[in-house]
Amino acid sequence: EAQVTQNPRYLITVTGKKLTVTCSQNMNHEYMSWYRQDPGLGLRQIYYSMNVEVTDKGDVPEGYKVSRKEKRNFPLILESPSPNQTSLYFCASSLERAGGETQYFGPGTRLLVL
Amino acid sequence: AQSVTQLGSHVSVSEGALVLLRCNYSSSVPPYLFWYVQYPNQGLQLLLKYTSAATLVKGINGFEAEFKKSETSFHLTKPSAHMSDAAEYFCAVLSVSGGYQKVTFGTGTKLQVIP
Repeated sequence: EAQVTQNPRYLITVTGKKLTVTCSQNMNHEYMSWYRQDPGLGLRQIYYSMNVEVTDKGDVPEGYKVSRKEKRNFPLILESPSPNQTSLYFCASSLERAGGETQYFGPGTRLLVL
Repeated sequence: AQSVTQLGSHVSVSEGALVLLRCNYSSSVPPYLFWYVQYPNQGLQLLLKYTSAATLVKGINGFEAEFKKSETSFHLTKPSAHMSDAAEYFCAVLSVSGGYQKVTFGTGTKLQVIP
């Protein structure tokens, strides 16, 4: 089954404790992206990647890191989480072709930073 | 910089009534436009997309949207609302420039369907 998976689905942590949210897709997509969703703000793009070893900042990259060492995986790293990073996070992937390809979304990771 | 504006964070309609969710965009390059739906506690699911073919785009579940370049709009409609349409809807614009893709979402519209 074609899908985007994220782990963990729910996470409670404390300020300053490094964490990683994993994202994996099995559709051989070049493009992958991370979003955070906050009430009243919609989805805001954190980082995206056009292909392996090619990443760029989205609209709200502060406090986050990403890496793309393999095509299928695109982990989101919070080196020192803070309460304002409490949010719902979505990973998405699509083909890279410049034809308005559909993004496929993971189920989301709900993060609470105390 | 591109932006997406969704008018109305909450919209209520009666079951069987017309659904109209508004989306206006600004983009410096020809855009690709999307509508996604999010049901409670779920991820986003594509409803429909505009990729410069027909200006009237038909999607799943009876939804459609019309791209109007002169109005920079991409409003979502459905002739007759069903209870199962209650969800949050997001409009998104994708611009491709210099080999990079930039996606911007609107802030979302929650649709309530009243029996």
